[in-house]
Amino acid sequence: LAKTTQPISMDSYEGQEVNITCSHNNIATNDYITWYQQFPSQGPRFIIQGYKTKVTNEVASLFIPADRKSSTLSLPRVSLSDTAVYYCLVGDLRDDKIIFGKGTRLHILP
Amino acid sequence: EAGVAQSPRYKIIEKRQSVAFWCNPISGHATLYWYQQILGQGPKLLIQFQNNGVVDDSQLPKDRFSAERLKGVDSTLKIQPAKLEDSAVYLCASSLSLGGAGRDEQFFGPGTRLTVL
Repeated sequence: LAKTTQPISMDSYEGQEVNITCSHNNIATNDYITWYQQFPSQGPRFIIQGYKTKVTNEVASLFIPADRKSSTLSLPRVSLSDTAVYYCLVGDLRDDKIIFGKGTRLHILP
Repeated sequence: EAGVAQSPRYKIIEKRQSVAFWCNPISGHATLYWYQQILGQGPKLLIQFQNNGVVDDSQLPKDRFSAERLKGVDSTLKIQPAKLEDSAVYLCASSLSLGGAGRDEQFFGPGTRLTVL
């Protein structure tokens, strides 16, 4: 299983774009990159998933360089309600295991 | 569409007592997961079911934890006897397809917060 490394915490201000980078140096060919968001007292919630290049949905964008050894979750124009823990996961299609790290604690300031 | 339901939401017990948690996944979801989340950490997978069969229980402390998923729908997770270090949030999740964690979106319930005194 590919191990992921992401910052423990980040602060930003309302209205700004926030980029959270995840490192996964030993990502395998069949691995997909998935990001989850978790608010206090709630279960994690799927945000976005990608394999290569760029993926965008109504919530976020995911940028994956050609070597796929890292990925960046981009949250446009954050608000106070985006304060949460963000987890980067790398999943192997051949292995049903999924491992959450400690995540990145994002704190949005007014 | 109804989400993953869990009960109870909170439970306080004394060490060496028993406790059980219940999970009702999203209708039609073949895969069901139980996670343990200790304060300040990410969720840790305890057990994964595919329909009513166990796919992975490698991190389940089998001397005290047990889980079942009868008829491939609802599931219960039991701890007997509980220890202080079992204090955590127990999350249930379900997913639609039969596997491939890297591509399979998991839908989580609100969790059960267990406090062991």
